[in-house]
Amino acid sequence: GAVVSQHPSWVICKSGTSVKIECRSLDFQATTMFWYRQFPKQSLMLMATSNEGSKATYEQGVEKDKFLINHASLTLSTLTVTSAHPEDSSFYICSASPGGPQHFGDGTRLSIL
Amino acid sequence: QKEVEQNSGPLSVPEGAIASLNCTYSDRGSQSFFWYRQYSGKSPELIMFIYSNGDKEDGRFTAQLNKASQYVSLLIRDSQPSDSATYLCAVNMRVGYALNFGKGTSLLVTP
Repeated sequence: GAVVSQHPSWVICKSGTSVKIECRSLDFQATTMFWYRQFPKQSLMLMATSNEGSKATYEQGVEKDKFLINHASLTLSTLTVTSAHPEDSSFYICSASPGGPQHFGDGTRLSIL
Repeated sequence: QKEVEQNSGPLSVPEGAIASLNCTYSDRGSQSFFWYRQYSGKSPELIMFIYSNGDKEDGRFTAQLNKASQYVSLLIRDSQPSDSATYLCAVNMRVGYALNFGKGTSLLVTP
């Protein structure tokens, strides 16, 4: 089946640090990938839609200058959390589809101290 | 605001019983419906998807869709302790679009 790989799986860093998360589609090409965020005991909330070769589309309330998305190839999207602060601590998950249902990466747990 | 509603639970069923999970959605334009299972600390795993009214069965799982009532459900037959997880209902306007998730129902299957 379709495989979406996400890296790293866990990040702990100091406040003010920038963190890059990678999302790869391993056995298919994805012109669109999605980035979600999940706080404890909450559901997944869409942050942005990553579009290969063009600008990402951000959901209302998501700061595009803080959450930089680059979809430079048909198999890779990156999310960079710039100048991260403790309130950015969350579980970040990407998804992509080869056609049909979305498949999720394993997620990245981000902890900002 | 497009809503996807689920009872948060926990829903507790004995091993071997049928677990019934329910979901309602507000956007009548929704076309695709999904059930994901999420274990604590893990990312969601696709269980079932359904696009047309009626029932769809896959092993121990049956998804049911009623677009007129804006209702989708998941039945798990012969529930096992390993089925204990949070089940997320998700909908979207078209396949390939972003998903709108419910808050999930916590299922506990007791031995």
